[in-house]
Amino acid sequence: AQKITQTQPGMFVQEKEAVTLDCTYDTSDPSYGLFWYKQPSSGEMIFLIYQGSYDQQNATEGRYSLNFQKARKSANLVISASQLGDSAMYFCAMRDLNTGNQFYFGTGTSLTVIP
Amino acid sequence: NAGVTQTPKFQVLKTGQSMTLQCAQDMNHNSMYWYRQDPGMGLRLIYYSASEGTTDKGEVPNGYNVSRLNKREFSLRLESAAPSQTSVYFCASSEVTGTTYEQYFGPGTRLTVT
Repeated sequence: AQKITQTQPGMFVQEKEAVTLDCTYDTSDPSYGLFWYKQPSSGEMIFLIYQGSYDQQNATEGRYSLNFQKARKSANLVISASQLGDSAMYFCAMRDLNTGNQFYFGTGTSLTVIP
Repeated sequence: NAGVTQTPKFQVLKTGQSMTLQCAQDMNHNSMYWYRQDPGMGLRLIYYSASEGTTDKGEVPNGYNVSRLNKREFSLRLESAAPSQTSVYFCASSEVTGTTYEQYFGPGTRLTVT
């Protein structure tokens, strides 16, 4: 069963606008962590933001924020004031303690920022 | 502080050849992972090692073996390479305790099997 679902294969956003990348997850463990990574065309995986399942507030890191809706099991990434350098693949991931500290990744969303 | 290093960066193998991908981390992390990334598939876990001396299968372990040589090093071996193993391979490490547990990734190895 798919643990992480990203339903948007590709997204476009105008420079300086905000964009939301969707992510839903599936776990029965009350304790888990949710992550977003960026993969530019150069190929490296860059950690962006983390949300713990017990965190009361949505995580924020600079222009990145995570819209965490626990009851809906969604962890959407919001990028504000998009920049051309934000064009990349974005992966949502979950750390699941039920399966011995494994990480599960979604299939990714390709974001293109248009000047 | 190099983080996670992987060798080689690129490799071309013929079907049936064997090779070992090397990974090392200098962050004193307990957990290490091997993933493969195929177009449209995201990252899929091959094997992981929660701590030194332990290894466990992930989602796609067939055709691979791993060795957790010590706390720093975690190698991935292809005994008899097949074209279906053409992929980009990433090694990662993370800490079990702490506040965020994020994984740190190596730069990847691009493997082509002809």
